[in-house]
Amino acid sequence: GQQVMQIPQYQHVQEGEDFTTYCNSSTTLSNIQWYKQRPGGHPVFLIQLVKSGEVKKQKRLTFQFGEAKKNSSLHITATQTTDVGTYFCAGPRGGKLIFGQGTELSVKP
Amino acid sequence: DSGVTQTPKHLITATGQRVTLRCSPRSGDLSVYWYQQSLDQGLQFLIQYYNGEERAKGNILERFSAQQFPDLHSELNLSSLELGDSALYFCASSVESGDYGYTFGSGTRLTVV
Repeated sequence: GQQVMQIPQYQHVQEGEDFTTYCNSSTTLSNIQWYKQRPGGHPVFLIQLVKSGEVKKQKRLTFQFGEAKKNSSLHITATQTTDVGTYFCAGPRGGKLIFGQGTELSVKP
Repeated sequence: DSGVTQTPKHLITATGQRVTLRCSPRSGDLSVYWYQQSLDQGLQFLIQYYNGEERAKGNILERFSAQQFPDLHSELNLSSLELGDSALYFCASSVESGDYGYTFGSGTRLTVV
């Protein structure tokens, strides 16, 4: 079945460093969504990408959807302690979202 | 407040018991999804309801069942509980297809002892 793989599983950075998490699907996706879950919190929807090669920015966050619509990335420029949490990508399958395993980001001040 | 309400927030129960988790979706959302999150399994899809009808099923155990009521709230019933059922259970809701993102509730932390 469709799987969504995400790497790395953990990333520890110094505040101010950049961070990237990568997401790969075994099948072409109609869209990809990104979520952030703070420690002790619930997943919060960040963004949806639909078009092949699409790039969207939210302040220091840059989201990309691959040309083949099978991979995606989230890049954070100059991380801050408020960026701490787990970032999930998710792709639709049969009307439901299949989530990647997530990348847990820790930021050392 | 995300608009999705889950109760209770915490639940501690013994093996073999049965519990019911409740979810009220965000106003206007017809779809409700249940996910299980454990440390080693990530967010695992359990089941989806749309406007009262079951739409999709994931790897939900036979001991688990769910329903969505006419007022659109949903309940997840977990029976014959085992230690391995200890996890965070999230409910999420969305507009029809979920293409504009899911809104998650704050979850129910279930501990089976």
